[in-house]
Amino acid sequence: KAGVTQTPRYLIKTRGQQVTLSCSPISGHRSVSWYQQTPGQGLQFLFEYFSETQRNKGNFPGRFSGRQFSNSRSEMNVSTLELGDSALYLCASNPRTGSAGELFFGEGSRLTVL
Amino acid sequence: EDQVTQSPEALRLQEGESSSLNCSYTVSGLRGLFWYRQDPGKGPEFLFTLYSAGEEKEKERLKATLTKKESFLHITAPKPEDSATYLCAVRQTQGGSEKLVFGKGTKLTVNP
Repeated sequence: KAGVTQTPRYLIKTRGQQVTLSCSPISGHRSVSWYQQTPGQGLQFLFEYFSETQRNKGNFPGRFSGRQFSNSRSEMNVSTLELGDSALYLCASNPRTGSAGELFFGEGSRLTVL
Repeated sequence: EDQVTQSPEALRLQEGESSSLNCSYTVSGLRGLFWYRQDPGKGPEFLFTLYSAGEEKEKERLKATLTKKESFLHITAPKPEDSATYLCAVRQTQGGSEKLVFGKGTKLTVNP
């Protein structure tokens, strides 16, 4: 069974630009969550989507947004990038909604903002 | 605000030297405590779920335990391949929204 796939794995952007990251969950998993990981703050929850609807949201500004498609694939977008947005962005899938805790993570997209 | 604190931040062991990692939490109404392992350049890998005080889970050289205020991850006779960062998380429900709150992890190094 294929795992969670995230693309791109690495990217470099400059301040003010926007970025879109993609996540394909494990086949049959309908819940997709996004996390930001930085050395200072650790793993922080961004949002969760289930059946194309945002079900839960973390404490991030509106520059961070996401969506989920009918095939459960998800994208997250960060607009007007800031230096502090440099981080590893992790996607996790789950067969159920509700951030059940037993999440399957991808390898992440490492974003560097210059 | 719910808090998850892990200690120590880093731990270096010799192969075969058993030890424990700590995860203390403050959360109203625990609805699950989770342990993950993260290797460099990889996403976290789920290890255990604990729901109530006194509960224990085991997997190979790892055993997770839970009390009312903290959880321990005991590593018995570790091997170099156990080197990783171990993360714990609690499920938080607030204002109808649910999420996992992670600690910052313990980086474990096991030397041969």
